[in-house]
Amino acid sequence: NAGVMQNPRHLVRRRGQEARLRCSPMKGHSHVYWYRQLPEEGLKFMVYLQKENIIDESGMPKERFSAEFPKEGPSILRIQQVVRGDSAAYFCASSPDTTLTYEQYFGPGTRLTVT
Amino acid sequence: GDSVTQMEGPVTLSEEAFLTINCTYTATGYPSLFWYVQYPGEGLQLLLKATKADDKGSNKGFEATYRKETTSFHLEKGSVQVSDSAVYFCALSHWGGAQKLVFGQGTRLTINP
Repeated sequence: NAGVMQNPRHLVRRRGQEARLRCSPMKGHSHVYWYRQLPEEGLKFMVYLQKENIIDESGMPKERFSAEFPKEGPSILRIQQVVRGDSAAYFCASSPDTTLTYEQYFGPGTRLTVT
Repeated sequence: GDSVTQMEGPVTLSEEAFLTINCTYTATGYPSLFWYVQYPGEGLQLLLKATKADDKGSNKGFEATYRKETTSFHLEKGSVQVSDSAVYFCALSHWGGAQKLVFGQGTRLTINP
């Protein structure tokens, strides 16, 4: 059973460009979480999605950031008009029915560098 | 809001030394508590968890006990190995609904042979 997959692993963007980060959850998992890790800091929650629904986006910056988890295909975290402060590692986690287990399974992350 | 505070790193120990990484939390209600480990270049892996007061989580020789009276969940291991070198994160979440994890800042552990 493949784990959570994220691509690309490394992404370099110039200021003002768009960044698209993809996350494929583990097979059978319908819940996806996105977290951001700034250099030398812990992970901060951004958004929680189920298929076609955003459940909790309390950690998402109000502008330039959006997320989706369509019926078919991976979850996408989109950052428009990137700035240097967006440079970070972005981790996706997935879980099965959240009423049955606490565990979130993490992907390897996408390291975004904005130049 | 909820928060988690870990002892500052980095921590450097010799092989077979005793390890303690302190973790305290602030939260409403009765959160579940976790320790995650991150090896270089990888994502986080769940190391152990505890879901109620006085529960002890354990895995791979690591242990942590949920202490509600001191709001703590300190990680311990009796004899560390070089392969334990990693970054360790303490975290909490609330059962039900959106189980977002609230993380501490992480503690980098280096074990020297």
